[in-house]
Amino acid sequence: DVKVTQSSRYLVKRTGEKVFLECVQDMDHENMFWYRQDPGLGLRLIYFSYDVKMKEKGDIPEGYSVSREKKERFSLILESASTNQTSMYLCASSFLAAQNTEAFFGQGTRLTVV
Amino acid sequence: KNEVEQSPQNLTAQEGEFITINCSYSVGISALHWLQQHPGGGIVSLFMLSSGKKKHGRLIATINIQEKHSSLHITASHPRDSAVYICAVRNYGGSQGNLIFGKGTKLSVKP
Repeated sequence: DVKVTQSSRYLVKRTGEKVFLECVQDMDHENMFWYRQDPGLGLRLIYFSYDVKMKEKGDIPEGYSVSREKKERFSLILESASTNQTSMYLCASSFLAAQNTEAFFGQGTRLTVV
Repeated sequence: KNEVEQSPQNLTAQEGEFITINCSYSVGISALHWLQQHPGGGIVSLFMLSSGKKKHGRLIATINIQEKHSSLHITASHPRDSAVYICAVRNYGGSQGNLIFGKGTKLSVKP
């Protein structure tokens, strides 16, 4: 079974803290993605990576950074957490864009910033 | 206007009913995905379509490329089908491998 594993299901952090969300996949996928999901807004792309050390901004990168030092691991970093970053965060991975490549998702991390 | 529109936003059904969820999109696509998200958050891929129709158990997905429209049907619905169903498209010319998501349809099936 393909597995995309996110390090935490629930996190509570304080405003101003540096927060790391980790995602690991075991299918040798080139692409990895970080999304956030908010009620009424659906999933929005924060950052994605198509190779080690490569990253591309998505639709809402402000306040976030990412790191991909190894192919299987993609980290999302909140440099200084704020309350408006309270959200559900979802990681996904897929093979490099062939036309019909399926995306696999992690279980999500529900982050609350207080 | 969103590039991927789903309807309805919310749907309540009685167990056993036939359910249809619709998805319309405005961009050229290479594939369309139907995803399921249960309470608790994890997303599972149900179907990936580029033409025609696919069936898996009680779930059927169809796509009409000319009309830029897809439907997800659930036959003999069951309370365990209660979830959010999300339509997503992979468009030509977009970021490598990225999907554009609809806002989801929240389905609740009552016993």
